[in-house]
Amino acid sequence: DGGITQSPKYLFRKEGQNVTLSCEQNLNHDAMYWYRQDPGQGLRLIYYSQIVNDFQKGDIAEGYSVSREKKESFPLTVTSAQKNPTAFYLCASSPPGRRSQETQYFGPGTRLLVL
Amino acid sequence: GQQVMQIPQYQHVQEGEDFTTYCNSSTTLSNIQWYKQRPGGHPVFLIQLVKSGEVKKQKRLTFQFGEAKKNSSLHITATQTTDVGTYFCTPPNTGNQFYFGTGTSLTVIP
Repeated sequence: DGGITQSPKYLFRKEGQNVTLSCEQNLNHDAMYWYRQDPGQGLRLIYYSQIVNDFQKGDIAEGYSVSREKKESFPLTVTSAQKNPTAFYLCASSPPGRRSQETQYFGPGTRLLVL
Repeated sequence: GQQVMQIPQYQHVQEGEDFTTYCNSSTTLSNIQWYKQRPGGHPVFLIQLVKSGEVKKQKRLTFQFGEAKKNSSLHITATQTTDVGTYFCTPPNTGNQFYFGTGTSLTVIP
């Protein structure tokens, strides 16, 4: 089946620890995105990547890092510099086409909790 | 990037009542998209509206794009408990960024 997978579903982080959230897609999409969602809030863009080996900061990139070594994979690392990491993290991808008419396909998300 | 205002932020309805959420932009939009996020779930693409005055229906859901392409609405007829969730309208991707506001959270009371 084609789609976007994220793992783990739940993740616990200790203070001062870096953790990496996985995002994989087999939709052959070029563009991939990471969002953060806090309770009762909208989605805020952390990082995005339009092609392999290239990525750009979104609105709230501080304390996060990404890589895009393969088209299918766009992992997000939440570093110890992110002081309030507890949130719901959503990965998305977009099919190729006219940029202004892109739609987004989301993965099931990862809930990160700080212990 | 472009932003939109969506109202209301929250709406509680009795099952069987109708529901409408409105999306407004200060600028003309080339298109608008709607997504639904169930509680605990992820956003799912519903529809994209492109033409001025366009109306599209998906079963009990009716989507409209204003004549001036500055506003849009989603109307649900005879709500069901399966309609519960947050509905987002999003403007076009500009500057490689999508904008997702707070959306409208719909609660359906059985």
